[in-house]
Amino acid sequence: QQQVKQSPQSLIVQKGGISIINCAYENTAFDYFPWYQQFPGKGPALLIAIRPDVSEKKEGRFTISFNKSAKQFSLHIMDSQPGDSATYFCAARTGSHQKVTFGTGTKLQVIP
Amino acid sequence: DGGITQSPKYLFRKEGQNVTLSCEQNLNHDAMYWYRQDPGQGLRLIYYSQIVNDFQKGDIAEGYSVSREKKESFPLTVTSAQKNPTAFYLCASRDRVAYEQYFGPGTRLTVT
Repeated sequence: QQQVKQSPQSLIVQKGGISIINCAYENTAFDYFPWYQQFPGKGPALLIAIRPDVSEKKEGRFTISFNKSAKQFSLHIMDSQPGDSATYFCAARTGSHQKVTFGTGTKLQVIP
Repeated sequence: DGGITQSPKYLFRKEGQNVTLSCEQNLNHDAMYWYRQDPGQGLRLIYYSQIVNDFQKGDIAEGYSVSREKKESFPLTVTSAQKNPTAFYLCASRDRVAYEQYFGPGTRLTVT
């Protein structure tokens, strides 16, 4: 079964700190890796995504780091803010494949 | 105002009753999906549909049924055969260009 393993399950970071969430995958056919952000009681929303031909992608305070040889990728949230408190899901997909494989989620709490 | 709507937001049913969750999209997307979300388990795919009048089972289809009579609508029925139906249900649709999935706000179903 295709899997994406995500850690940690929960994370508490002080305001202004760096939040780091890690994911690992097994299927080398995956070629697209999105991250989703979900606030309580809401549906997930696409945050940032990366393809394996680059090692890093940055959008504002959010950065994805990708290590193809290790089959790992991570989300870094710089200068974390209380408004970033949410659950974050990593995911992986093969090309135009209809299915997306999701990690189990990380609940981030940013404390003032 | 384009998007995905799910109704109702909260749904309560007695054990043994079938219940239908609504999902409507006006994004002109061909593909639609149903996921189930439980704490610590991420998003698990129940059913998906690539075109009208066609749908495929996901990873946890037992106890669920769907229909796709219109492009805009993809209702999910939770039957009495589903052993543990209490969960947060998410509907999504996928755009045909970037293959990104867009999620609705979810329906929280409680069965007692």
